[in-house]
Amino acid sequence: DSGVTQTPKHLITATGQRVTLRCSPRSGDLSVYWYQQSLDQGLQFLIQYYNGEERAKGNILERFSAQQFPDLHSELNLSSLELGDSALYFCASGQGTDTQYFGPGTRLTVL
Amino acid sequence: ILNVEQSPQSLHVQEGDSTNFTCSFPSSNFYALHWYRWETAKSPEALFVMTLNGDEKKKGRISATLNTKEGYSYLYIKGSQPEDSATYLCASIQGAQKLVFGQGTRLTINP
Repeated sequence: DSGVTQTPKHLITATGQRVTLRCSPRSGDLSVYWYQQSLDQGLQFLIQYYNGEERAKGNILERFSAQQFPDLHSELNLSSLELGDSALYFCASGQGTDTQYFGPGTRLTVL
Repeated sequence: ILNVEQSPQSLHVQEGDSTNFTCSFPSSNFYALHWYRWETAKSPEALFVMTLNGDEKKKGRISATLNTKEGYSYLYIKGSQPEDSATYLCASIQGAQKLVFGQGTRLTINP
């Protein structure tokens, strides 16, 4: 158990819909990272937040957005969903360039 | 764009044998190199974080080396056991703490 929690575990929705994935970091970690793992793809970095502020951005689509709240939990919002957005979404937390601790992931299926 | 390459893509090793695989990364703007172990149906688990040229880290039967000047890291597993079967991911941090993952080496230990 890494100490990072993600909800929900599974999410099934339809194209065009909007969903929110939630992540609670390990106690004391200020950074939250979001990753996407699609079929046959490696882990793709989406976005990082540090203590409520966006710190780094990766290959995140404009239809996706994230935020980190004062209690340090983070939400990833995915809108106008397409079939290709079906993937495993991981959240990780950590401190700077040090080890990242991954949550169990949310598996999103868009039908 | 930072390319992190891992080889081989997959590897089958007999139980008890030792093995190693490679991670290559661009050597410019290097900050840190991470190794993660990712078992099926679980989330990636941190093995090592290395930052200095010539770093060597060890955890039980697994060790790693780092050459930042030529941009490569090796992961070694001594006396492979069935529980070592997993995908081993390396990731390089460049610039603004963006972790870029390789595609992984899928290791299968044959009993």
